[in-house]
Amino acid sequence: DSGVTQTPKHLITATGQRVTLRCSPRSGDLSVYWYQQSLDQGLQFLIQYYNGEERAKGNILERFSAQQFPDLHSELNLSSLELGDSALYFCASGKTGGGTDTQYFGPGTRLTVL
Amino acid sequence: AQSVTQLDSQVPVFEEAPVELRCNYSSSVSVYLFWYVQYPNQGLQLLLKYLSGSTLVKGINGFEAEFNKSQTSFHLRKPSVHISDTAEYFCAVSASGTYKYIFGTGTRLKVLA
Repeated sequence: DSGVTQTPKHLITATGQRVTLRCSPRSGDLSVYWYQQSLDQGLQFLIQYYNGEERAKGNILERFSAQQFPDLHSELNLSSLELGDSALYFCASGKTGGGTDTQYFGPGTRLTVL
Repeated sequence: AQSVTQLDSQVPVFEEAPVELRCNYSSSVSVYLFWYVQYPNQGLQLLLKYLSGSTLVKGINGFEAEFNKSQTSFHLRKPSVHISDTAEYFCAVSASGTYKYIFGTGTRLKVLA
């Protein structure tokens, strides 16, 4: 158990809909990272927050947005969903948010778009 | 910009045999290198990391990796694998002065009885 929690575990929705994925980092970690894992694209870095501020952006679509709240939990919002958005979404947390950080991954949220 | 390449998408190996999973990177600045493992239906967990110092890094579960700057490689090795090592292994790189990790495409290690 990494200490990172993600809810929900599974999500099934329809095209065009909007969903919110939630992540609680390990106690003491200030940084949250979001990743998308799919069979054809592998593990793609989406976005990173550190202590409430956006720190780095990866291959995140404009239809996706995220934020980190004062209690350090984070939410990833996915809107106008398409079939291709079906994937496993991981959240990870780290202490410093820097390049030397060990990232602790949550169990993931499996999103299925029908 | 950094990049990382894992040339082998799948590696089958018999139990108790040695294994090497290959990772090559490119970067114009100093790098930090990581190996993560993902067991079925789980998130990734850190096996080992190279930040600086000794180029031979030892990690959990008997794995080790060697940083080779001239070859721009960070190959992962284990002298004797177990069935329980069956998993997907990801190499990752981050560059000094940046915050982004770049993950490789992963190598599926299948240990055969």
